[in-house]
Amino acid sequence: GAVVSQHPSWVICKSGTSVKIECRSLDFQATTMFWYRQFPKQSLMLMATSNEGSKATYEQGVEKDKFLINHASLTLSTLTVTSAHPEDSSFYICSAEGRGGRPYEQYFGPGTRLTVT
Amino acid sequence: RKEVEQDPGPFNVPEGATVAFNCTYSNSASQSFFWYRQDCRKEPKLLMSVYSSGNEDGRFTAQLNRASQYISLLIRDSKLSDSATYLCVVMGVPGNTGKLIFGQGTTLQVKP
Repeated sequence: GAVVSQHPSWVICKSGTSVKIECRSLDFQATTMFWYRQFPKQSLMLMATSNEGSKATYEQGVEKDKFLINHASLTLSTLTVTSAHPEDSSFYICSAEGRGGRPYEQYFGPGTRLTVT
Repeated sequence: RKEVEQDPGPFNVPEGATVAFNCTYSNSASQSFFWYRQDCRKEPKLLMSVYSSGNEDGRFTAQLNRASQYISLLIRDSKLSDSATYLCVVMGVPGNTGKLIFGQGTTLQVKP
């Protein structure tokens, strides 16, 4: 149980375009989902926290108009990177905190590798 | 100062060796502590939680020293399959629970 999927697993896009990444909890309801970004040889950095049906809370330094998060249901959150630039190339990972799991246990998706050319 | 600090390594050890990783955290109000394992180009996976009394899971032992704000992970009898990056993770402070703060990770290479 507690499986989280992400789609796509990797994507290459041109500078200036937008990319949408989906995060789904497959066998549980995720009250809270988290979006992280990881640059090579660096730690995972939390970008934002989203709760179903409400606006996401962004970490300091993360542009909310550039990284649009929608948590429309208890099993789906999406991250849209708008007007992508090469410096947005990174590994994006979501995690989900679910009902019925151990308190605050987060289940991670497999990640999405974004390359902006 | 980083919130969670680790020596990035790499630690290169032979099979069968015992290796220890350390981690320090800056916020004394931090609530919970974990070690995660991350393989190259994959998502992190929970290895074990860390308790003040210390805890063991097979070949892995984790220790927490709240007074020194220090966490450790000991791996005994290293296997080739233990090669990975080990992430020290601290859960947020009261009022911001649920937020995980990751260290940079310590890379372990176990050689035959």
